Amino acid sequence: ETVMTQSPTSMSTSIGERVTLNCKASQSVGINVDWYQQTPGQSPKLLIYGASNRHTGVPDRFTGSGFGRDFTLTISNVEAEDLAVYYCLQYGSIPYTFGAGTKLELK
Amino acid sequence: QVTLKESGPGILQPSQTLSLTCTFSGFSLSTYGMGVGWIRQPSGKGLEWLANIWWDDDKYYNPSLKNRLTISKDTSNNQAFLKITNVDTADTATYYCARIVLPGYNLYVMDAWGQGASVTVSS
Repeated sequence: ETVMTQSPTSMSTSIGERVTLNCKASQSVGINVDWYQQTPGQSPKLLIYGASNRHTGVPDRFTGSGFGRDFTLTISNVEAEDLAVYYCLQYGSIPYTFGAGTKLELK
Repeated sequence: QVTLKESGPGILQPSQTLSLTCTFSGFSLSTYGMGVGWIRQPSGKGLEWLANIWWDDDKYYNPSLKNRLTISKDTSNNQAFLKITNVDTADTATYYCARIVLPGYNLYVMDAWGQGASVTVSS
């Protein structure tokens, strides 16, 4: 099983700042990584697919990058609506596995 | 507009079989490249992928649940199903279904999710 390790577990930020969330795979998964955002009480929403492709309607302040084992999600100019938990998902091998999530909070 | 909605028993007892239904609209599971996945989330915890079913009836399961999972579909009625046998308190979670599309070679997205169905296993 491919383990996805997200860091940090949580981070505090201020509105307007730039933050970087990390996801490391226990083995290479190529570009087979998606990022999902989950706000409290809501279902997860797709942000990034194939490591770096922004889903339709996702603001361009969200940027994904990475290949192989190391992946990042960068949020530029954080807005209040971005406060959520972010999960990476690898679909390079069965079972598909999510990271434990990074909770983005207000400082 | 793509929508999905999960339904289930709410509460069930240990050792029973959990039956979940995902009723969807806005797409067809008979369309090439389309799929439905099931994912669960215990309260306050992370996401766990359970199973996928594809337009061609191909199925994939999370081996960690051993042989307890069965996924199926009813294309005519736009529904997908998940059964989990011999449930335990550890199966208490919110269960989501999601539409899966393949936007390109080696790409996989769950681009629409249901609101989730809460399931509690308790004696």
